[in-house]
Amino acid sequence: SQTIHQWPATLVQPVGSPLSLECTVEGTSNPNLYWYRQAAGRGLQLLFYSVGIGQISSEVPQNLSASRPQDRQFILSSKKLLLSDSGFYLCAWSVSGSEAGELFFGEGSRLTVL
Amino acid sequence: GQNIDQPTEMTATEGAIVQINCTYQTSGFNGLFWYQQHAGEAPTFLSYNVLDGLEEKGRFSSFLSRSKGYSYLLLKELQMKDSASYLCAVRDSNYQLIWGAGTKLIIKP
Repeated sequence: SQTIHQWPATLVQPVGSPLSLECTVEGTSNPNLYWYRQAAGRGLQLLFYSVGIGQISSEVPQNLSASRPQDRQFILSSKKLLLSDSGFYLCAWSVSGSEAGELFFGEGSRLTVL
Repeated sequence: GQNIDQPTEMTATEGAIVQINCTYQTSGFNGLFWYQQHAGEAPTFLSYNVLDGLEEKGRFSSFLSRSKGYSYLLLKELQMKDSASYLCAVRDSNYQLIWGAGTKLIIKP
């Protein structure tokens, strides 16, 4: 069966510090991968998605970046965090080639920037 | 612009039935999803509708009317564990998911 895991689950970072959130998927090949941010009282905001290694599409211009160094690994990074980067970050995957397929989410990472 | 509307919060009694509505205005339509999200956890998939009508899955059912841009999630025989947020999402013509802000459902004994 397929599983998705992201870490760390929680982190508290000072403004201006770097960030790295990691996500891995097991049990499937060439998945579509996504990074979302969820703010209180708002819908999920798509940050990045990837259909293959090294292929990243950015939906929202900001100080975050994403990379896909391996087929089932997706990393969200920042060189300098802002207060507004605080939130709940979710990694997700869907079956490649199945445009209407549902998303499967990781456990989430709660980031607090102080 | 694209928009998904659903009530912010609803309250229901254990054992009862509750209907959570979702209306949408999107650039095209390629399916509607409902997800359940418990506080502090990730969303989990509940249902998918792409054709008009009712899809039933155990205690949960989801209805879609594409002409009205409307869907609802029906939860029967409510249990305390159903207390969660319920997210409506629509896949647009570019196959991008547009998410509602979610409906927080509070179940009272």
